[in-house]
Parts: sequence; C-alpha cells; structure tokens
Amino acid sequence: DTAVSQTPKYLVTQMGNDKSIKCEQNLGHDTMYWYKQDSKKFLKIMFSYNNKELIINETVPNRFSPKSPDKAHLNLHINSLELGDSAVYFCASAGGDYGYTFGSGTRLTVV
Amino acid sequence: GENVEQHPSTLSVQEGDSAVIKCTYSDSASNYFPWYKQELGKRPQLIIDIRSNVGEKKDQRIAVTLNKTAKHFSLHITETQPEDSAVYFCPTYSSASKIIFGSGTRLSIRP
Repeated sequence: DTAVSQTPKYLVTQMGNDKSIKCEQNLGHDTMYWYKQDSKKFLKIMFSYNNKELIINETVPNRFSPKSPDKAHLNLHINSLELGDSAVYFCASAGGDYGYTFGSGTRLTVV
Repeated sequence: GENVEQHPSTLSVQEGDSAVIKCTYSDSASNYFPWYKQELGKRPQLIIDIRSNVGEKKDQRIAVTLNKTAKHFSLHITETQPEDSAVYFCPTYSSASKIIFGSGTRLSIRP
C-alpha cells in the first residue's frame, strides 16, 4: 500500500550498460517527476509528466529517456551509463494540492 | 526565471534551542510555500506548507512565516530534538509543474 514505489532500491552497474528504474503511484495523481540527488544533496528536477504527457525536460543528456505508459507509472531508462550518473534518483507524484509524495529513492552506482 | 536561495546551507544548534532557516524567492507569482525534511538515507517529506494568503502557520514545534513584500519565507523549529537533524528544502513554485528545490539546509542538533 506504498503511495509511490520505485524499484530497484539499489543498482550497481558497469559503465556503458543500459538500465531502467521503475516508478508507480497509487495516489491518483496526474503529475509525476524524476529527480536526481547528488552527493551534496542537491535535488534537481529532470523530467515531469502530466497524464502521460512530457511537460518538463530539464537539461538532461538524451541518454536519459522517461516513459509513461499510463498516468500511474513513470519509468526512467538510462543508456550508456557513465560514472557521473551515480546518484540517488527519486520519483515523485503531485496532485492538485501541490504537495509532493516522493518514492524511497534508487541509489545508482556506476563502476 | 524563478530562483530560490536558502540560508544557511548548514546549521548546528544545541538541543533544546531554536533553529530558523530562511528561503528567498524571486517569482512574484509564487503562491505556495512548502518545507520538506529529508532524514539521512530517506526520502524528502512534506512537513509544513503555507499559501500566499496566510502570513504564518504553526504545527506543534514547527512554524512557517511568509513575508511576501520581501519575498522570503522561513521555517522555525523550537525546542529542537535529535530527530530534527536532517536536510530541509524549500522548493518554490510558480505553477504546479515548475519547481526548484536546490541543495537544502543541513541541520545538526548537538546533544
């Protein structure tokens, strides 16, 4: 009954690999997000989808491709992983009241 | 464009004392001002929020005050306890889909 769930929680992979992180929310929210948090705790928005439509695409390399099959899911696929991609990635959803609900995060380590 | 400045970046207070974190925003259209708390290894969580038609809101030991003229809002924590140690974020919104978080304030409570 977790509101925003993302998998996996930890991901260790080699440079050059392709990986995906999945996110699902059961709150009925229309908007979902992906954030990247670096080692200094800087929390930066990457993408935002509203009802399956991309509405925010910040300056993120095109190796990162979000996919939203329906408004309850927003997955993140990363091609050709680099060392600098190591971070914690948070999925979040928001409803009409503007409040955010974050997932528990995916700690990605590229070696 | 929108910008948010949060001060201080780190704060250490004696247990039992008060802590104040200030957030300055630039977009006059901002109308929602939340504070998020992120404990070590966990997700950011909404702890208190305020809307532009209210000057102050309190919830037990935490309060948020808003000064629209000066374009800043502050988080006040009284009688601090060890569990208040965390990173605190003040994202600013101009619309539900445009949000800026930043690096937050790392609060440490000294025993």
